[in-house]
Amino acid sequence: DAGITQSPRHKVTETGTPVTLRCHQTENHRYMYWYRQDPGHGLRLIHYSYGVKDTDKGEVSDGYSVSRSKTEDFLLTLESATSSQTSVYFCAISGGQFNTGELFFGEGSRLTVL
Amino acid sequence: DAKTTQPTSMDCAEGRAANLPCNHSTISGNEYVYWYRQIHSQGPQYIIHGLKNNETNEMASLIITEDRKSSTLILPHATLRDTAVYYCIAGYSTLTFGKGTMLLVSP
Repeated sequence: DAGITQSPRHKVTETGTPVTLRCHQTENHRYMYWYRQDPGHGLRLIHYSYGVKDTDKGEVSDGYSVSRSKTEDFLLTLESATSSQTSVYFCAISGGQFNTGELFFGEGSRLTVL
Repeated sequence: DAKTTQPTSMDCAEGRAANLPCNHSTISGNEYVYWYRQIHSQGPQYIIHGLKNNETNEMASLIITEDRKSSTLILPHATLRDTAVYYCIAGYSTLTFGKGTMLLVSP
């Protein structure tokens, strides 16, 4: 299994509070992604990174920001959490030494915003 | 990414081959066909991908039609542990996941 660790795995917070989810990889992959998964919507891309300090928006980026200060870490921040951001968040990586495009996913972080 | 169409759900008997279809009629020349699966609430798992030719690995086979407008994922001997949601994606860089096919393998 790809070395991807998401933290925290579970979090309950209140509306209006800031939240940061961390994705850490030990695979030295170039690309990192944040997806959210909700019933009836499948997986939707929030933001992605194609290198240190290089990020771009995905399909549902409003209300989220990201940062990548080093290859192994990709942070997803909710500046002011809302109930609509209650979801399961998945980090993914791609672009290893023998890059053939496939994504490797973490185990997910379940966020509940009350 | 090209839009993909998959059946909402399928059933398969344990030990039989599971053939999961996917339509991607608007796929462009540089887009690959990827298949992933998601077991319960785990992170999605990569299965296989291809561009033009049929592909096989230890998990599955991928059959892509000559016009590349559709493909079939084949699990040759389905087991109960293959019960999952299977996603077909036609893309190149960032991949768009649809709702997939819920495959239920029964004894």
